This record gives sequence, C-alpha cells and structure tokens, in this order.
Amino acid sequence: NAGVTQTPKFRILKIGQSMTLQCAQDMNHNYMYWYRQDPGMGLKLIYYSVGAGITDKGEVPNGYNVSRSTTEDFPLRLELAAPSQTSVYFCASTQGMEQNQPQHFGDGTRLSIL
Amino acid sequence: GQNIDQPTEMTATEGAIVQINCTYQTSGFNGLFWYQQHAGEAPTFLSYNVLDGLEEKGRFSSFLSRSKGYSYLLLKELQMKDSASYLCAVDPFTGGGNKLTFGTGTQLKVEL
Repeated sequence: NAGVTQTPKFRILKIGQSMTLQCAQDMNHNYMYWYRQDPGMGLKLIYYSVGAGITDKGEVPNGYNVSRSTTEDFPLRLELAAPSQTSVYFCASTQGMEQNQPQHFGDGTRLSIL
Repeated sequence: GQNIDQPTEMTATEGAIVQINCTYQTSGFNGLFWYQQHAGEAPTFLSYNVLDGLEEKGRFSSFLSRSKGYSYLLLKELQMKDSASYLCAVDPFTGGGNKLTFGTGTQLKVEL
C-alpha cells in the first residue's frame, strides 16, 4: 500500500499566486487532515474532514480552502499566496472509528512563497 | 484553549536511557500520542495512552497520569538513529474528528 501520498514534494510560489496541494490515501480512511509545520514548531491543524462532502476548520484555516469529493482525496487550496504561508504542509489520515488509531502522515510538501 | 509543553532540546549518550516529558492543559482528554519525526521526514506513530500507567513497546515506553496532565516517553538502549524530534499530541475531544493538538516537539540528539 502507498499509504498517504502528497504532491508536489517541493514548490516555490510568487506572492499572489495560487496552487493546490494534492493528498490521496488508499487505506479507505474516513478522516483526513491538513497540517502546517513551521521551523522548530509543532504541527498546526489547518482543516480536517470526517468523510466525503464534510470539511471543517482547524486552528489556522485563514488563507486556505479544502474540498473532499471522494474518500481518497483531500486537496488543499491556497488562493493568494503570502510569505506567511511558507511552511511544510503535511496531510494525514486515520480510520476514525476508534480513538486509539493513530494518524498516518504523508511525506509533506515544502512550500516557499517569495 | 489547549496547551502542551515539552522541553525544546535534550542530549543523551548512545546506550543510555532518556525520558522526554510532556505536560498538557486541555479542555478535554481523549488520549495522548507520541510521534517520532526525523529531520525532513513525516511524523511516525510511536505510542498511545488513554488510561493511567505505562505502555511498553520494545525499547520505547510511554507513561500517562491524567490527574497530573503529564506524560513521558522513555527510550532505552539509545541508538544513533534515535536522534530525532519527539512530538507529544493530545486529542482534546473538541467537536469530534479525532483532532490532535501537538506540542512543539523535543529535539533529541544522541551522541557517542
């Protein structure tokens, strides 16, 4: 199994540009999450989804949008890139049926806004 | 709000034992996770505690005291490959979704 796959791995954007970070999982997990991790910091939750068609804001949602049209895919959209969005973005998933199931993470997307 | 505290850095010697502490103050509690994150890589799951006590998994053990809002990760027989950041994360059980609040991580350096 591939697990959680994120693309691209690296990207440089100019201020004001837009892009979509892709995330796909093949574990038939119900719950999916987007985090950002700034240098020396923990992970901050941006958005999450508990199933297809259902999304909700996390701790730091401003400047981002998500959609969940299928169980497998959970793309993250940046509409007007700003330097403050320079970060490493991680997508994660879990089955969601029981509380003790860990989140499985993708390898991350390293994004720089210049 | 949710608050999780961990030491920023720790250094230990190969073959030794190290304890990484985590204290938390959250609006609710539905379990505590420990993750390992090597530089430039994704976090990987180490352990889960929801009841008081010690959970042992090979060289790694994790302890929880819910009344004290305290957990620790114990790493035995340290190896160079254990050099990594260790993240403590709590599910505060707010609004469902099994959401996690992460600490800033403890950077462990294992030396010869």
